[in-house]
Amino acid sequence: IQMTQSPSTLSASVGDRVTITCRASQSIDDWLAWYQQKPGKAPTLLIYRASTLESGVPSRFSGSGSGTEFTLTITGLQPDDFATYYCQQYTSYSGYTFGRGTNLEIK
Amino acid sequence: GQLVESGGGVVQPGRSLRLSCAASGFTFNTQAMYWVRQAPGKGLEWVASVWYDGTAKFYADSVQGRFTVSRDNSRNMVYLQMNSLTSEDTALYFCARNMPFNLWGQGTLVTVSS
Repeated sequence: IQMTQSPSTLSASVGDRVTITCRASQSIDDWLAWYQQKPGKAPTLLIYRASTLESGVPSRFSGSGSGTEFTLTITGLQPDDFATYYCQQYTSYSGYTFGRGTNLEIK
Repeated sequence: GQLVESGGGVVQPGRSLRLSCAASGFTFNTQAMYWVRQAPGKGLEWVASVWYDGTAKFYADSVQGRFTVSRDNSRNMVYLQMNSLTSEDTALYFCARNMPFNLWGQGTLVTVSS
């Protein structure tokens, strides 16, 4: 299953609302996760089952979608949110694929 | 919980390397474990999975037949044996817990170069 993530780069300002899109090559129901990664660090889980917020993740992060189209929305960007974001499908034991990532940078 | 990888380094093409991941702070023998890698400046790639009891293992096509994942529940350890390494295996290797990955180690760097 291929995961197409867009945009690859997103420029925004503190306080903005931004949306990142992830499209699956076939239906994955809601078996989709979103991760945040900062330079030199391991990724951290933000959202799973497409829309469930991981414990401790701020409520300005939200996810939606099912089937093949998914979005990650950050409402009210904070300085700590500038990072790279990845989607990942986990519908099959034999292959878990990530999107290519979205680099969210300060405008 | 915590995961700490080790065993990375510089290795020549065609040689082997074994990575280790030490787990602590959670009930290790109830959790599936995974290896994920990230080539320099690139995205994330799932590499291998091992079930909580070690009875099932899965591999990405890119490493199938060359890499072997294993675990020792008595020691809270998971391993990745990597054989016939090529330059395309150069990456930061993370171990991770569960699906989706809700706990990651800091990674260990593998560089395949002559």
